[in-house]
Amino acid sequence: GQQVMQIPQYQHVQEGEDFTTYCNSSTTLSNIQWYKQRPGGHPVFLIQLVKSGEVKKQKRLTFQFGEAKKNSSLHITATQTTDVGTYFCALWRNQFYFGTGTSLTVIP
Amino acid sequence: GAVVSQHPSWVICKSGTSVKIECRSLDFQATTMFWYRQFPKQSLMLMATSNEGSKATYEQGVEKDKFLINHASLTLSTLTVTSAHPEDSSFYICSARVPGKNTEAFFGQGTRLTVV
Repeated sequence: GQQVMQIPQYQHVQEGEDFTTYCNSSTTLSNIQWYKQRPGGHPVFLIQLVKSGEVKKQKRLTFQFGEAKKNSSLHITATQTTDVGTYFCALWRNQFYFGTGTSLTVIP
Repeated sequence: GAVVSQHPSWVICKSGTSVKIECRSLDFQATTMFWYRQFPKQSLMLMATSNEGSKATYEQGVEKDKFLINHASLTLSTLTVTSAHPEDSSFYICSARVPGKNTEAFFGQGTRLTVV
């Protein structure tokens, strides 16, 4: 089945440092979505990327879709404690395939 | 955005009993809903795809007789964990997608099941 790998699995950063998580697929993707799950909560949709090389920003979050549409990244600038959670990438192909997730811990 | 409501948010039950979890799409019709199981610090594992008016499609390794899924209407899907055992303790979460192209998943709040 479709596999979407994410790295790193865990990331601890000092508050104010940057953070990046990467999502990789072996096949070309029609789109990629990103979700955030706070501890004890449910995943919440952040953004969708569709076009090759697309870059979208949401305040301190920057999302990028690779030129070959096989990878994507989420970059957070100057992390805050509110950024704590697990970030998942996901793709839709008759069902949602979720990446393995990156758990972010922000140390105050 | 669309809203998916899941109940209960947590439940404790005795071994051998059954537990029903409800997932409702509140402001849209969902012909398909998805049920996931999530272990601590892991990703979402798709258990089954619930189809309105027809049988659910189960993922490999998921026992359909143990995890009964019913999707009787366009806004309600239920997951019943039958004869629950402690190893069934987990976080169960449903999601639905508004029909159409390039739409996102909306998740229920999740149900924390503890079997004692």
